[in-house]
Amino acid sequence: EDQVTQSPEALRLQEGESSSLNCSYTVSGLRGLFWYRQDPGKGPEFLFTLYSAGEEKEKERLKATLTKKESFLHITAPKPEDSATYLCAVKVPGAQKLVFGQGTRLTINP
Amino acid sequence: NAGVTQTPKFQVLKTGQSMTLQCAQDMNHEYMSWYRQDPGMGLRLIHYSVGAGITDQGEVPNGYNVSRSTTEDFPLRLLSAAPSQTSVYFCASSYSNRGAYGYTFGSGTRLTVV
Repeated sequence: EDQVTQSPEALRLQEGESSSLNCSYTVSGLRGLFWYRQDPGKGPEFLFTLYSAGEEKEKERLKATLTKKESFLHITAPKPEDSATYLCAVKVPGAQKLVFGQGTRLTINP
Repeated sequence: NAGVTQTPKFQVLKTGQSMTLQCAQDMNHEYMSWYRQDPGMGLRLIHYSVGAGITDQGEVPNGYNVSRSTTEDFPLRLLSAAPSQTSVYFCASSYSNRGAYGYTFGSGTRLTVV
């Protein structure tokens, strides 16, 4: 069964304290891995798509990387406005859907 | 450019009532879908559509109906609301489902069934 697991469930950092979020997946024939940011009371907002192992994407303080079994979302020198829930999802061949992980709730304290 | 618009934002229903959650997109996206988000369970697919006139079931379709008469609109109907349908509902669209295109989500409808 296709599965996506995110860790940790929650992470609290001080402003400027860099860290990484993990997304591990068990799918056969990955067709894309997606990272989303979700603020309270809002819909998920698209951040990145990664297609193949070794690929990296960056946006401001965020960098996403992909291996054959997992993806990392690295957050460098975060600010309080980076506080949100970060969702990981995978697209598998033949499936008309994204399979989502349960998310990591990130809190950045000033 | 509004993206994906969902209405209403909040709704309280009594058990047994029916209602329609509206979803509209203005990006000419081929693919549209409905997800529900529950604490500890992540986002789960209810129904999806790959184009006007074509719909299919996702993981948790029971108690819900959909139709897609136009490219822009994809309403979700609750036939007879149950407390188990208390959730946050998101509509999402994508240019195509035949590739690794990102989905654009609406802002959600928070539904409570009492």
